[in-house]
Amino acid sequence: ILNVEQSPQSLHVQEGDSTNFTCSFPSSNFYALHWYRWETAKSPEALFVMTLNGDEKKKGRISATLNTKEGYSYLYIKGSQPEDSATYLCASSPLSGGSYIPTFGRGTSLIVHP
Amino acid sequence: GAGVSQSPRYKVAKRGQDVALRCDPISGHVSLFWYQQALGQGPEFLTYFQNEAQLDKSGLPSDRFFAERPEGSVSTLKIQRTQKEDSAVYLCATRTMADTQYFGPGTRLTVL
Repeated sequence: ILNVEQSPQSLHVQEGDSTNFTCSFPSSNFYALHWYRWETAKSPEALFVMTLNGDEKKKGRISATLNTKEGYSYLYIKGSQPEDSATYLCASSPLSGGSYIPTFGRGTSLIVHP
Repeated sequence: GAGVSQSPRYKVAKRGQDVALRCDPISGHVSLFWYQQALGQGPEFLTYFQNEAQLDKSGLPSDRFFAERPEGSVSTLKIQRTQKEDSAVYLCATRTMADTQYFGPGTRLTVL
């Protein structure tokens, strides 16, 4: 995998459903994996930064896991609410260069229907 | 300020016009990034500053794009002779040494 890829591109769920998205990234030269939530007309908001293989992070109903050996991360939302509707971006930062410039995926657009 | 601010939030330009987009970072944030997000795409890296030094400008798509941060705080992204393909959201992000990036709300540029 040369680029950061996210799937699905978009997702419609009902309020109360649990859901998950995938982020695939280059496993070589890996430094950190970032998840952001981007609501319309607002700034992207950092959710998680993960660096270690096997890392799991949780923030309320949202959690994320990281597998650096195979190059993927999952984001889970338990009991989706309409306010969770947003685009979820992941970004991978490489180790080289010292500036750790992240490469972003295209995002997963989540719409939660009441 | 409380966060990264960008101005203007929206800009409509006629093809061939020059534009300047401003980013006010979080005070004390050393690193500043500019990204371009075209419709349906993820943010694409344009350029990176550490204080006033522009350390990487490999993402700037052409020599019509120019960025500066003369005093290591406010940054300006300038696009000369805008073209239709420059239409995008331009995001600014700043970062502490801890690696989390803090984004501004972006400037949506439409070139007619």
